[in-house]
Amino acid sequence: GQNIDQPTEMTATEGAIVQINCTYQTSGFNGLFWYQQHAGEAPTFLSYNVLDGLEEKGRFSSFLSRSKGYSYLLLKELQMKDSASYLCAVMDSNYQLIWGAGTKLIIKP
Amino acid sequence: GAVVSQHPSRVICKSGTSVKIECRSLDFQATTMFWYRQFPKQSLMLMATSNEGSKATYEQGVEKDKFLINHASLTLSTLTVTSAHPEDSSFYICSARDHGVVTEAFFGQGTRLTVV
Repeated sequence: GQNIDQPTEMTATEGAIVQINCTYQTSGFNGLFWYQQHAGEAPTFLSYNVLDGLEEKGRFSSFLSRSKGYSYLLLKELQMKDSASYLCAVMDSNYQLIWGAGTKLIIKP
Repeated sequence: GAVVSQHPSRVICKSGTSVKIECRSLDFQATTMFWYRQFPKQSLMLMATSNEGSKATYEQGVEKDKFLINHASLTLSTLTVTSAHPEDSSFYICSARDHGVVTEAFFGQGTRLTVV
């Protein structure tokens, strides 16, 4: 079966750095997405990785290792507004998105 | 990025009535649209995939006669929740894929449905 695993909840301090991990087992791979979702809102796109390595975009970076079935989202200089759920999703061989359950990130002052 | 507009953002309806939710791609052609529902503190659950001009493909366990999906044009898909019951109360989100871009999907704002 297809499976996406990510931690349920994480807590970090304002100004710090946090890494949210995601491991996956899917039938085929056409890229991995990270989305941010604030409570009561739709997800917003953060990043897309299809090749191994690190993609940096401002305070957010995403890493992918296809051989390990592993990705992480790195958030730097955390701000209170970063408190949200972060969803990892993998596009399988049929170009369907397989979603993780999301990681709720709590930022403390 | 591309814009997907979903309407209404919130709706309250009486049990037994039907509710229609619209999803429009504003600046691109969406050959494929996806409908998700999300319960509190849970991830997105794909309900169905619709391709313009053809019948929707429903995920296992989703009643196609209860959740009617129409994708009549490249910019509009609708989800109708028929004979709604309180257990249908949820957050419904549409997502649209650009005709020329397979590897990214754009989300509507979501619809909070409450059935009383």
